[in-house]
Amino acid sequence: GEDVEQSLFLSVREGDSSVINCTYTDSSSTYLYWYKQEPGAGLQLLTYIFSNMDMKQDQRLTVLLNKKDKHLSLRIADTQTGDSAIYFCAELGSSYKLIFGSGTRLLVRP
Amino acid sequence: GAVVSQHPSWVICKSGTSVKIECRSLDFQATTMFWYRQFPKKSLMLMATSNEGSKATYEQGVEKDKFLINHASLTLSTLTVTSAHPEDSSFYICSAPATVSTDGYTFGSGTRLTVV
Repeated sequence: GEDVEQSLFLSVREGDSSVINCTYTDSSSTYLYWYKQEPGAGLQLLTYIFSNMDMKQDQRLTVLLNKKDKHLSLRIADTQTGDSAIYFCAELGSSYKLIFGSGTRLLVRP
Repeated sequence: GAVVSQHPSWVICKSGTSVKIECRSLDFQATTMFWYRQFPKKSLMLMATSNEGSKATYEQGVEKDKFLINHASLTLSTLTVTSAHPEDSSFYICSAPATVSTDGYTFGSGTRLTVV
């Protein structure tokens, strides 16, 4: 079956880097996404990576994909207080449905 | 980019009444719309997939008579929570696939339903 797991909570100091990890199970996933959700709001697409890529960098965001281990990570450089939110990884599974991870709550301390 | 407009953003209703949530694709045609439910501090749970002009497909365990989905046009999908009960209180979010896979899925801003 399809199951996506994330650690529940991460706390970092402002200016440090944050690394949010995700594991998935559907090896046929073509795209993997990272979404950000602020309190009471919908989801905002941050970045994505295609399954044949190992890494993608987009300004402060770096996505690493280890397809062998089905492990995905999101690194946020120079984390700011405005980055505090819940981050969801999601895979586009074989059923063309988005399967979400449990979400990681990022808290950035001043 | 593609925008999905969801209304209302929040609603409070009495037990036994019905509530309709609308999602409109503003600058693209959404032949498919996904409806999610999110419990506090939890992930998104896919409830159903609506397809324009045909019946919605519900996920296992989701009552189709309770959560009525209509996708009457290429730009509008609605979710009606019928005979609402306090346990239906939740955050409901719609999502439509972007026309390009790399754009991911576009999400509505969500509707917080509170049933009292």
